[in-house]
Amino acid sequence: GQQVMQIPQYQHVQEGEDFTTYCNSSTTLSNIQWYKQRPGGHPVFLIQLVKSGEVKKQKRLTFQFGEAKKNSSLHITATQTTDVGTYFCATNAGKSTFGDGTTLTVKP
Amino acid sequence: KAGVTQTPRYLIKTRGQQVTLSCSPISGHRSVSWYQQTPGQGLQFLFEYFSETQRNKGNFPGRFSGRQFSNSRSEMNVSTLELGDSALYLCASSLGGLGYEQYFGPGTRLTVT
Repeated sequence: GQQVMQIPQYQHVQEGEDFTTYCNSSTTLSNIQWYKQRPGGHPVFLIQLVKSGEVKKQKRLTFQFGEAKKNSSLHITATQTTDVGTYFCATNAGKSTFGDGTTLTVKP
Repeated sequence: KAGVTQTPRYLIKTRGQQVTLSCSPISGHRSVSWYQQTPGQGLQFLFEYFSETQRNKGNFPGRFSGRQFSNSRSEMNVSTLELGDSALYLCASSLGGLGYEQYFGPGTRLTVT
């Protein structure tokens, strides 16, 4: 089945710095979903990308889907302490597959 | 609109026992999916139900089963519990299935001793 690899596993940044997490697959993906899970919480849907080369923005968050639909990225500009948590990418083709997540910590 | 609810929130069971977890989706959502989350294995998909039918299934043994009722509420059952079944079990509901925005519940923390 489809698998997605996420890098990095952990990212520590100073407040105000940018952050990027990457999601890669060896196969073409039908879609990519991004979720955020705060410590002690549950995953919360952020966005879904379905088109090749798609770019979507939500305030300081920018999501991209690669031209070949084999990779995706989430970029946060000027991180804030409220951005802490684990960011997951997920795809589904018959079943749902989540990446291992990137855990972001932000030092004030 | 009320979110996804899961009961119980915490559960302690003994190896060999069985357990049933419950999930009530957001009103109007017909799809309910179940996930197991552990530090070592991450978020793993168990199965998805849509209109009372299992539509998709992950790679878990037959000890893990589920069902969905006509009101879209879903239950997950694990028989013959093993220590490795200790995990956070999350359910998620959506309007149309896995390709739609999924709303997760708070989860049930299962500890097997």
